[in-house]
Amino acid sequence: DQQVKQNSPSLSVQEGRISILNCDYTNSMFDYFLWYKKYPAEGPTFLISISSIKDKNEDGRFTVFLNKSAKHLSLHIVPSQPGDSAVYFCSPRVGGSARQLTFGSGTQLTVLP
Amino acid sequence: DTAVSQTPKYLVTQMGNDKSIKCEQNLGHDTMYWYKQDSKKFLKIMFSYNNKELIINETVPNRFSPKSPDKAHLNLHINSLELGDSAVYFCASSQGGGSSYNSPLHFGNGTRLTVT
Repeated sequence: DQQVKQNSPSLSVQEGRISILNCDYTNSMFDYFLWYKKYPAEGPTFLISISSIKDKNEDGRFTVFLNKSAKHLSLHIVPSQPGDSAVYFCSPRVGGSARQLTFGSGTQLTVLP
Repeated sequence: DTAVSQTPKYLVTQMGNDKSIKCEQNLGHDTMYWYKQDSKKFLKIMFSYNNKELIINETVPNRFSPKSPDKAHLNLHINSLELGDSAVYFCASSQGGGSSYNSPLHFGNGTRLTVT
């Protein structure tokens, strides 16, 4: 029962262009959404988050958009840099619930120089 | 100054053996977790402890037993290892084990377990 789906296992973009990573979810109880980045042989690290009361959150080159009606969120990276090459996981949560700490299957982003 | 450290990084063992993975965090967090990343790369939560108390125990075989001697440590002991236990196991911590589940997780670098 996959409540979180990242349908693109991989994405390649040119350096300087925009990277768009997508995440779809089914559980309407999710009200907080996090993105993590993972390099090989390391653990995931927190990147950016958004609460369901917002539809956009921006932090430098990273922006997360949330479309609650479509149960869809996306992570935009502009401009993309080679150091952004990593696996990106989305992780929705139900606030106040210890149980809903789910992760998508991840998208491998490769930024080509 | 590693925040969440887990040992060993690699663990190769035979079926039927018992092994442990240790995890320590120096962030002062009150909640710790064990996740399993399977061959399809999904990160699945196994256990969570808040202030040494078990708060999440997902559908995991009882061959897996977490132990939290204090808030900074959460170890994972696995009995009678099976081939299907081969995976990468991640320890994580966060602050807020009550209603504040919006703090991000801080992960260790994983332990790659291979059962032969």
